[in-house]
Amino acid sequence: DIHLTQSPSTLSASVGDRVTITCRASEIVNIWLAWYQQKPGKAPNLLIYKASTLKSGVPSRFSGSGSGTEFTLTISSLQPDDFAIYYCQQYNRYSYTFGQGTKLEIK
Amino acid sequence: EVQLVESGGGLVQPGGSLRLSCAASQFTFSTYWMSWVRQSPERGLEWVANIKQDGSEKHYVDSVKGRFTISRDNAKNSLYLQMDSLRGEDTGVYYCARERPHDYGANFDLWGRGTLVTVSS
Repeated sequence: DIHLTQSPSTLSASVGDRVTITCRASEIVNIWLAWYQQKPGKAPNLLIYKASTLKSGVPSRFSGSGSGTEFTLTISSLQPDDFAIYYCQQYNRYSYTFGQGTKLEIK
Repeated sequence: EVQLVESGGGLVQPGGSLRLSCAASQFTFSTYWMSWVRQSPERGLEWVANIKQDGSEKHYVDSVKGRFTISRDNAKNSLYLQMDSLRGEDTGVYYCARERPHDYGANFDLWGRGTLVTVSS
């Protein structure tokens, strides 16, 4: 199975900051890389798919990039609603795996 | 409202069994692959199993193979997970999730609120 490692595990930032979260895969991931946001007590919410395509309705301050084994999620200007946990997810050979999560907290 | 609602979680002893259900509404359930995904502080988010639209193809994570069985009833718009020989490491919140077609990159665009499974003596 492909293992996903996110960094950092915790990120402290302020409203208005630009932040980047990295997701590294143990093997090449084609385009099957997605990003989710999860808030306490809620299910994950899909933000980005195919590494860089924004899901309809997701604010444009979110963006994704990358290919191969390294991918990034960037939030261009943090808003109060963005403080949450973010996960990357891949699909390969009939199996899905998730990263361990990055907690984005208020500085 | 388009939604998934899980039920059937609870406290069970190690070695016991539990059957989870997921009721889908306001979308054409029979046209989607469906998955179960679980979450715990120890294991994070973990995909458990999925099933093809007509039930003819199923896949499982290695840790549950031979113990868990995924099934569906399209006439009832329902997804199920039969969990046998439960272990402590199976403890967690179990989510029912809708898979997007692979043209959209193989991910989950609709999740239920989850049902808590606790395996403990």
